[in-house]
Amino acid sequence: GAVVSQHPSWVICKSGTSVKIECRSLDFQATTMFWYRQFPKQSLMLMATSNEGSKATYEQGVEKDKFLINHASLTLSTLTVTSAHPEDSSFYICSARATEGAVTQYFGPGTRLLVL
Amino acid sequence: GNSVTQMEGPVTLSEEAFLTINCTYTATGYPSLFWYVQYPGEGLQLLLKATKADDKGSNKGFEATYRKETTSFHLEKGSVQVSDSAVYFCALTSYNNNDMRFGAGTRLTVKP
Repeated sequence: GAVVSQHPSWVICKSGTSVKIECRSLDFQATTMFWYRQFPKQSLMLMATSNEGSKATYEQGVEKDKFLINHASLTLSTLTVTSAHPEDSSFYICSARATEGAVTQYFGPGTRLLVL
Repeated sequence: GNSVTQMEGPVTLSEEAFLTINCTYTATGYPSLFWYVQYPGEGLQLLLKATKADDKGSNKGFEATYRKETTSFHLEKGSVQVSDSAVYFCALTSYNNNDMRFGAGTRLTVKP
């Protein structure tokens, strides 16, 4: 149980285009989903927290207009990187938490984005 | 704020050696503590967790004990295998925090 999927697993795009990444909880409903970014050989940095049906909460320094997050249902959250640039190239990982009081987050397999 | 300090790597061991990866934390309240493992090119997998002081999390031969007096959650395994080669992240979360704080990660390489 507690499986989280991400799609796509990797994507290459041209500079200036937008890329959408999906995060799904497959066997549970996630009241909260999180989006992280990981640079090579570094730890995970939280970008934003999204609760179903409400606006995402962004961490300091993360541009909300650049990284659009939508959490339309209890099993799906999407991250759209708008007008992507080479510096946006990274490994994006989502996680999901089942209930408000749960302490464990379950992570997706990650999406590797390369912007040319 | 909450934070996690993790032993710097990389760590290289021979197969069947004993493993310790140190992790200490700073937190308000009573955090839950986790160890996650990341294999090359993959996301994070929960390895073990402990939610209160003196709890011991264990899985696949790995174990870690929540020590409130030393604010530590060191990861140990008695006999590592080549397949244990990965990056290990110590993390914590508090009920009143929405996010999870990660350590820097420790890369483990086990040689046959």
